Amino acid sequence: DAKTTQPTSMDCAEGRAANLPCNHSTISGNEYVYWYRQIHSQGPQYIIHGLKNNETNEMASLIITEDRKSSTLILPHATLRDTAVYYCIVRARAQDDKIIFGKGTRLHILP
Amino acid sequence: EPEVTQTPSHQVTQMGQEVILRCVPISNHLYFYWYRQILGQKVEFLVSFYNNEISEKSEIFDDQFSVERPDGSNFTLKIRSTKLEDSAMYFCASRPGTSGYNEQFFGPGTRLTVL
Repeated sequence: DAKTTQPTSMDCAEGRAANLPCNHSTISGNEYVYWYRQIHSQGPQYIIHGLKNNETNEMASLIITEDRKSSTLILPHATLRDTAVYYCIVRARAQDDKIIFGKGTRLHILP
Repeated sequence: EPEVTQTPSHQVTQMGQEVILRCVPISNHLYFYWYRQILGQKVEFLVSFYNNEISEKSEIFDDQFSVERPDGSNFTLKIRSTKLEDSAMYFCASRPGTSGYNEQFFGPGTRLTVL
């Protein structure tokens, strides 16, 4: 039932940009791409979401391809505190109230 | 910044006992949720709650589970007769209102250990 595909794990050097990819080739027109993260055993934390335009907030940037079949979450200057599991989630904003989490990408920030 | 809080942080109970997990959602939020995460597994949706009734529940949320908003601030999850497989982190979440669609804010979780 997975709507997204993410690498199991990634490493990134501290201070560098972390680019986390996500494939969502079956995304439909009313579905948004959301990113959450979960720092070790804490509650999930919302990061960003988008429909088709690129989005940026104080935490990250979200780049969505023109065909919307994939996206990339960018943490511009990763710190050790960004070590977490990052979840890419596709959901229809109005209909899908609950969040269905996959396995995500475990991002290790290396000192 | 307002936060969702949960108590206790860790609950240990014997199989067959009842437990109540407590959550205080962010004060002006209207939608409330419970999720759980068994160690090493995915975060799973249990139930959503709005206007004093359940909006949606998953297959996990069987007759052993119930939720309640007993007053204007607390949101509780009760497990009537705990089983070993109920051992997990339980996360409460809340979100604001109906104008646009707002994201869910999660609490720090309660670790439930059933012996």
